[in-house]
Amino acid sequence: DGGITQSPKYLFRKEGQNVTLSCEQNLNHDAMYWYRQDPGQGLRLIYYSQIVNDFQKGDIAEGYSVSREKKESFPLTVTSAQKNPTAFYLCASSIGPSVGTQYFGPGTRLLVL
Amino acid sequence: QQQVKQSPQSLIVQKGGISIINCAYENTAFDYFPWYQQFPGKGPALLIAIRPDVSEKKEGRFTISFNKSAKQFSLHIMDSQPGDSATYFCAASNAGGTSYGKLTFGQGTILTVHP
Repeated sequence: DGGITQSPKYLFRKEGQNVTLSCEQNLNHDAMYWYRQDPGQGLRLIYYSQIVNDFQKGDIAEGYSVSREKKESFPLTVTSAQKNPTAFYLCASSIGPSVGTQYFGPGTRLLVL
Repeated sequence: QQQVKQSPQSLIVQKGGISIINCAYENTAFDYFPWYQQFPGKGPALLIAIRPDVSEKKEGRFTISFNKSAKQFSLHIMDSQPGDSATYFCAASNAGGTSYGKLTFGQGTILTVHP
């Protein structure tokens, strides 16, 4: 089965802790994206990567970090600097950076203890 | 200028009725307009998409109408079913430009179809 997997489904963060959300795709897509979704709001772009070993900040990158060491993997770290991390996090991928269609993973819900 | 405005925020329709969700954009460089459907606790899934060289695209019960001069596009769901109850997002991008295909999303519409 081709697709995007995200883990874990639920993640709990303690005060001052960094946590990492996993995103893996086997679609052979070059571009990958991280979005944050809050209730009643649309999806907001955190970071994106067009190719391996390259990534760019999106609209709300503060308090987050990413890496892209492999084509199929794009993990997101929510750092302690992110003061309001409770949200639904979505990973997406597309064939290339200039192709509009993005395919989404099932999401990770991050909650603060 | 990058905003996409979506309305209504919520919509209640009877089974068999027509659901209509509207979006408006400002950036005339946008050239790709997808609609996504999202069920609670799941990731969005691409429903249907249109490019500005056509005014309408139909896939089954779902139709996108596109008005380039008014910078508006809408999703029509014919014969709405309870299984269509979900959140719908419109989006827009400049897929052929320099913005790497960034999608700008509307705020979402929560559709409830009553049996």
